[in-house]
Amino acid sequence: AQSVAQPEDQVNVAEGNPLTVKCTYSVSGNPYLFWYVQYPNRGLQFLLKYITGDNLVKGSYGFEAEFNKSQTSFHLKKPSALVSDSALYFCAVSGNTNAGKSTFGDGTTLTVKP
Amino acid sequence: GAVVSQHPSRVICKSGTSVKIECRSLDFQATTMFWYRQFPKKSLMLMATSNEGSKATYEQGVEKDKFLINHASLTLSTLTVTSAHPEDSSFYICSASQLVGGYNEQFFGPGTRLTVL
Repeated sequence: AQSVAQPEDQVNVAEGNPLTVKCTYSVSGNPYLFWYVQYPNRGLQFLLKYITGDNLVKGSYGFEAEFNKSQTSFHLKKPSALVSDSALYFCAVSGNTNAGKSTFGDGTTLTVKP
Repeated sequence: GAVVSQHPSRVICKSGTSVKIECRSLDFQATTMFWYRQFPKKSLMLMATSNEGSKATYEQGVEKDKFLINHASLTLSTLTVTSAHPEDSSFYICSASQLVGGYNEQFFGPGTRLTVL
């Protein structure tokens, strides 16, 4: 079975400060890891993914994430937060079976204050 | 590429009626599609895996007679909420799976907001 944990329901940062949204995972075999963002009443928007290769992955809107195999983590980061980054963020993991069936974390609400 | 659409984007219906939601992969063929349900400010709950030409695989606790899934072609899966009740009100999201660089990646639709009065 695969699982994802996002230990923080809420993350608050000031605009201009760096942000981190945490994610740890559990999966058999090699993990495929994803971050998505969701704005109110909207679908999921893809931010970035780790499949293989460099542990530091760069994605949309200045976000990046670091894959750490020993800690089974895939934390989302951004050097300088914007108010417009305020949204709900989901981490997801899949293996290479079941046609890519993904398991999502519970989500973390990011609030960036001016 | 890899665009998934859903129709309708929102629907309001009376209790007891049935509602059909369509999920289409617009520029690729998807042998597998997934249906999720999301409650307000909550995570996505996988309801079922929809396989083209065969019966859907439902997750534990999901009523298959309540949520009918049909995957009639490689680009279309439908979810029908039968005899809808207010507790079925939710945000329903589909995704379609495509083989990308040796692994199966999911591409998500924009979601359908169902409100049952």
